[in-house]
Amino acid sequence: DQQVKQNSPSLSVQEGRISILNCDYTNSMFDYFLWYKKYPAEGPTFLISISSIKDKNEDGRFTVFLNKSAKHLSLHIVPSQPGDSAVYFCAASLLGATNKLIFGTGTLLAVQP
Amino acid sequence: GAGVSQSPSNKVTEKGKDVELRCDPISGHTALYWYRQRLGQGLEFLIYFQGNSAPDKSGLPSDRFSAERTGESVSTLTIQRTQQEDSAVYLCASSRDGQPQHFGDGTRLSIL
Repeated sequence: DQQVKQNSPSLSVQEGRISILNCDYTNSMFDYFLWYKKYPAEGPTFLISISSIKDKNEDGRFTVFLNKSAKHLSLHIVPSQPGDSAVYFCAASLLGATNKLIFGTGTLLAVQP
Repeated sequence: GAGVSQSPSNKVTEKGKDVELRCDPISGHTALYWYRQRLGQGLEFLIYFQGNSAPDKSGLPSDRFSAERTGESVSTLTIQRTQQEDSAVYLCASSRDGQPQHFGDGTRLSIL
């Protein structure tokens, strides 16, 4: 039972344009969401997070949007750069519990120069 | 070091052998997690440590898997009588309470 879903296995975007990565979840109890970026042969690197009490969080070129009623979140990267090419994982957790992360299967982003 | 360190980076072993994977978390991080990533899949939670205790072992797939943590620091994940389906990248993460988890680069385990 996949509680966190990333339905697009890959995405290709032109340098300078916007990248939008999507994530859906099924467990309405999740209250904290994170995006991680992963390069080959490296561990995931934390990118940005959002608490369920917010609907938007911004950090430089990265913005995460949360739509609780739709159980959907998205990561926007503007402008996209070739160095952003990586696998992006969406993750969810229950704050105050063990904080274990439930991950999606990832989306491979390719930013074309 | 500044980050989470895992060893070995790669391990190839024969089916039926035992393996031990090591994780050195970031100094001062009380929480430590083990995850597994099989080919083409997302990361799968295995076990969580708070200090030296493991209040959540719910992700361990079978009793062949065990883990311990000592000195609120180093953790080892042991897999006994390895099977081919154990082949995966095993990732360790650590964090301070309420903070995002920081991951090591993982151990790529291949069972022949």
